[in-house]
Amino acid sequence: DTGVSQNPRHKITKRGQNVTFRCDPISEHNRLYWYRQTLGQGPEFLTYFQNEAQLEKSRLLSDRFSAERPKGSFSTLEIQRTEQGDSAMYLCASSLGRGFYNSPLHFGNGTRLTVT
Amino acid sequence: EDKVVQSPLSLVVHEGDTVTLNCSYEVTNFRSLLWYKQEKKAPTFLFMLTSSGIEKKSGRLSSILDKKELFSILNITATQTGDSAVYLCAVDAPPGGTSYGKLTFGQGTILTVHP
Repeated sequence: DTGVSQNPRHKITKRGQNVTFRCDPISEHNRLYWYRQTLGQGPEFLTYFQNEAQLEKSRLLSDRFSAERPKGSFSTLEIQRTEQGDSAMYLCASSLGRGFYNSPLHFGNGTRLTVT
Repeated sequence: EDKVVQSPLSLVVHEGDTVTLNCSYEVTNFRSLLWYKQEKKAPTFLFMLTSSGIEKKSGRLSSILDKKELFSILNITATQTGDSAVYLCAVDAPPGGTSYGKLTFGQGTILTVHP
């Protein structure tokens, strides 16, 4: 399977703990995105990487959130001092971009976070 | 702020029925409109539309975009129980001076197809 891979699939944590999620994009895709989806809503944009550079962050991304994409391959999303409001599905997506052209985003199966 | 609205929010039909899902949008820097199908996991890509009036088809699914009236429809003919899912509409509207795929999603339409 050469699609977008996310780990873990599920994460249950206690409020105040730190969590880290991993995303492996489609290998030839240079653009990587993180989205968050809550029940009954469409995904909301969090952040974007072009290769290893983080070029855009949503206002939704508080200081407790940090994302990295070392070497322009896999990416990690860390949430520090988790709160119950962080409970959601965290989706990673990747695309191939050349100048203004951008291929459709392909999504992973997500990591479902539950903060108790 | 970019906005995407889908209707209806939910729809219940029987196998064999034809359904039409609606998506309207208000965005700046429109580049494309995309439809995704989501069945409890990853949204899976269906269509990307960039030009008005050109229908895209894939089997029993088809979609068309109207850039003047700012809406798109997704049609599913001869529905099957396997079509039950959430259908998401998203608009790719990169902020000025950028080119990445910043999608703004609608709330989704929950389609339930009964045997």
